[in-house]
Amino acid sequence: EVQLVESGGGLVQPGRSLRLSCAASGFTFDDYAMHWVRQAPGKGLEWVSGISWNSGSIGYADSVKGRFTISRDNAKNSLYLQMNSLRPGDTALYYCAKEPNARSGIDSWGQGTLVTVSS
Amino acid sequence: DIQMTQSPSSVSASVGDRVTITCRASQGIGSWLVWYQQKPGKAPKLLIYTASSLQSGVPSRFSGSGSGTDFTLTITSLQAEDFATYYCQQANSFPLTFGGGTKVEMK
Repeated sequence: EVQLVESGGGLVQPGRSLRLSCAASGFTFDDYAMHWVRQAPGKGLEWVSGISWNSGSIGYADSVKGRFTISRDNAKNSLYLQMNSLRPGDTALYYCAKEPNARSGIDSWGQGTLVTVSS
Repeated sequence: DIQMTQSPSSVSASVGDRVTITCRASQGIGSWLVWYQQKPGKAPKLLIYTASSLQSGVPSRFSGSGSGTDFTLTITSLQAEDFATYYCQQANSFPLTFGGGTKVEMK
């Protein structure tokens, strides 16, 4: 069974940093692209960032480009999101997500970790 | 960036109704279109990929169609468990983008 468990969320002041982690299990992690998707309270889904299986292809939403960095450690079956210069607009539930095949969407999601940016 | 526009933003329907949701891309994306269902407090669930391919385990009352810029999700004979919010997402190129969502509510 695929399991994605996020951690690292919390309350942080504007301008500060936070690092999210996602521990993956139940599948061959280094076979799949992975993504971070967020959802602000009461709002829709927003793709944040994605990374190919070998880190050779990485993308970011315009809203986080230059502030967030995605990475993965295939030896540790882990996905990360380094978030710098956080803004109140970054407040959201952050999901770690797995892409089953290229350009075929996301078939597995974690339970999410809540990031709240507020003074 | 490719903008995804969903309509309607909400629809009221009854069990047994046929529901159609549309999604328009700001530029052509071939068939690289995905549909999700999300219920309150839950992570999204993949329904349809590559515009019309049904994800394993998803009931056949869900179907998708379209290519290029215009896409449709159809639910034939709406069931009680189908009341939820539906999102489209383009998978053609980074940055990936979602539509704003369509809430299917009980009439």
